[in-house]
Amino acid sequence: DTGVSQNPRHKITKRGQNVTFRCDPISEHNRLYWYRQTLGQGPEFLTYFQNEAQLEKSRLLSDRFSAERPKGSFSTLEIQRTEQGDSAMYLCASSSELFQPLEQYFGPGTRLTVT
Amino acid sequence: SQQGEEDPQALSIQEGENATMNCSYKTSINNLQWYRQNSGRGLVHLILIRSNEREKHSGRLRVTLDTSKKSSSLLITASRAADTASYFCATDRGSTLGRLYFGRGTQLTVWP
Repeated sequence: DTGVSQNPRHKITKRGQNVTFRCDPISEHNRLYWYRQTLGQGPEFLTYFQNEAQLEKSRLLSDRFSAERPKGSFSTLEIQRTEQGDSAMYLCASSSELFQPLEQYFGPGTRLTVT
Repeated sequence: SQQGEEDPQALSIQEGENATMNCSYKTSINNLQWYRQNSGRGLVHLILIRSNEREKHSGRLRVTLDTSKKSSSLLITASRAADTASYFCATDRGSTLGRLYFGRGTQLTVWP
């Protein structure tokens, strides 16, 4: 199948370490989104790519966060110098601008725990 | 910041009963979407309703939209234990870029 996949599914790291997550969108989707979700809350937007271009970033995305989508296919989200407040579920979603309105298809998420 | 506010925050019912969840939002929208999330997992798209639509059905799901009141409701009929999940509404705040703004969700528990 060809749903959105994310790796790893779980990550435990010590404060101060760097972590990188990967998202593989549905193959024909040119739009890719990252969201963050903390316990008891809905997902909050982090950033958005159309093809390889990063078109929008949330204020939540501090300078410790960087996202890339080098060839317009998979994307990576890196967090440098992790803090305990970074503990959350990181969700990736994709959509196609060919289909309006834009329904987003979510991956299973990467759960990050910073100790 | 969160866009929608779902209520109730938690809902507990018996199998076979209907479950109604509400969502309110603050800005103009192009469409409103409902998603389901099973514990610790990703979100599954349930249904999308455009701003010029008032009601939409999909299987046991019925969604209504009242743009004058900036509110939507999701009705699940003849609920099943497998419907136990968190339900979120999401809006686009009038943008066409696709960024979604989610509420805090309603936790639905359906007892067998």
